Amino acid sequence: NAGVTQTPKFQVLKTGQSMTLQCAQDMNHEYMSWYRQDPGMGLRLIHYSVGAGITDQGEVPNGYNVSRSTTEDFPLRLLSAAPSQTSVYFCASTRQGGGSGEKLFFGSGTQLSVL
Amino acid sequence: TQLLEQSPQFLSIQEGENLTVYCNSSSVFSSLQWYRQEPGEGPVLLVTVVTGGEVKKLKRLTFQFGDARKDSSLHITAAQPGDTGLYLCAGPNYGQNFVFGPGTRLSVLP
Repeated sequence: NAGVTQTPKFQVLKTGQSMTLQCAQDMNHEYMSWYRQDPGMGLRLIHYSVGAGITDQGEVPNGYNVSRSTTEDFPLRLLSAAPSQTSVYFCASTRQGGGSGEKLFFGSGTQLSVL
Repeated sequence: TQLLEQSPQFLSIQEGENLTVYCNSSSVFSSLQWYRQEPGEGPVLLVTVVTGGEVKKLKRLTFQFGDARKDSSLHITAAQPGDTGLYLCAGPNYGQNFVFGPGTRLSVLP
């Protein structure tokens, strides 16, 4: 079971460069989301999607774009990288409802450094 | 956005010791979740507590949801090196989103 797959695992960018972080899930979940994790700040929501063609902003969306053309894929784009975007990025898909409630499945993360 | 605080921020103990970590908020949550995250990996869900006063056990881990549903605790009995990791609590925010606490980083020394 692949679950949630993120690529790349590590990335170094120069200020002003752009890149796309890839995320794919094989669990047929409608809801997907992107978080960034910084020391002492927990996980903060960047963007989320409730299904193909529908995306919305989270807590810290500035500098990032997303799109959702298929249920499986939810890429995150950095338009013009800044040092403040140095972080670890996690993609998650959510299994909805059920007796135990919602459950987030996370990818293994992308460690991004912006110089 | 509702906020979650966790304490302690760091905890280093010897194998075999017991410990408790806490997750607190000034807001009421319909449920709270606990995740464990190992280095280089994403968080993995351990448990969801949904009823005020609820206690759930997962082997040596005991989770409790406060009566007022504003706080939760995680107690580990006889900690082992395999328990080492970052423990995160999370609660539903708006829609299907979750808010996460900053985490407790636990190190269990052999």
